[in-house]
Amino acid sequence: KQEVTQIPAALSVPEGENLVLNCSFTDSAIYNLQWFRQDPGKGLTSLLLIQSSQREQTSGRLNASLDKSSGRSTLYIAASQPGDSATYLCAGGGRSSASKIIFGSGTRLSIRP
Amino acid sequence: EAQVTQNPRYLITVTGKKLTVTCSQNMNHEYMSWYRQDPGLGLRQIYYSMNVEVTDKGDVPEGYKVSRKEKRNFPLILESPSPNQTSLYFCASSRQGGSGYGYTFGSGTRLTVV
Repeated sequence: KQEVTQIPAALSVPEGENLVLNCSFTDSAIYNLQWFRQDPGKGLTSLLLIQSSQREQTSGRLNASLDKSSGRSTLYIAASQPGDSATYLCAGGGRSSASKIIFGSGTRLSIRP
Repeated sequence: EAQVTQNPRYLITVTGKKLTVTCSQNMNHEYMSWYRQDPGLGLRQIYYSMNVEVTDKGDVPEGYKVSRKEKRNFPLILESPSPNQTSLYFCASSRQGGSGYGYTFGSGTRLTVV
């Protein structure tokens, strides 16, 4: 059964630091992987989608990479800001339209001013 | 604007009183899904729909019903709500199931059953 682990579960860093969030799957047969941001009590906002033909995606200060051989993904946030404080979730699944995407439990990030 | 719209955002109800949470998407997506999110348990899938008139159970379907009569709408029905269904609910859609295309989520419905 596919399981997803996100490490660390919580992270607090001072403003301006670069940081890395980790996501790993027990079954490395991941087709695509998506990173989301969730503010407390709010919906999930899609940040980046890494498709099977890609190894990484970038959007502004965010960079996500996917290593399919190991079933691991990282989300890199450069020059962190207090507005980056949120919970970050990764989700991935197989290629088949019948396959289910599996969500990690998230990393709760706090950026201290 | 491409979006998934859920209503209501907040709902407090009493045990046993039937309720419906609506979900609508404007992206012509085939796949739609309902999740509940609880502290310590993460996101759990309730029901999903691969296309119109095609629905199937997710991981926690007990106590819920869904229908998909039109492509854009996927309402979640609680026939007889109970306090253990107090949760934050999300509707999501995608061009297809699986991870081939990204998922778009609604803003969530916080349900309290007393």
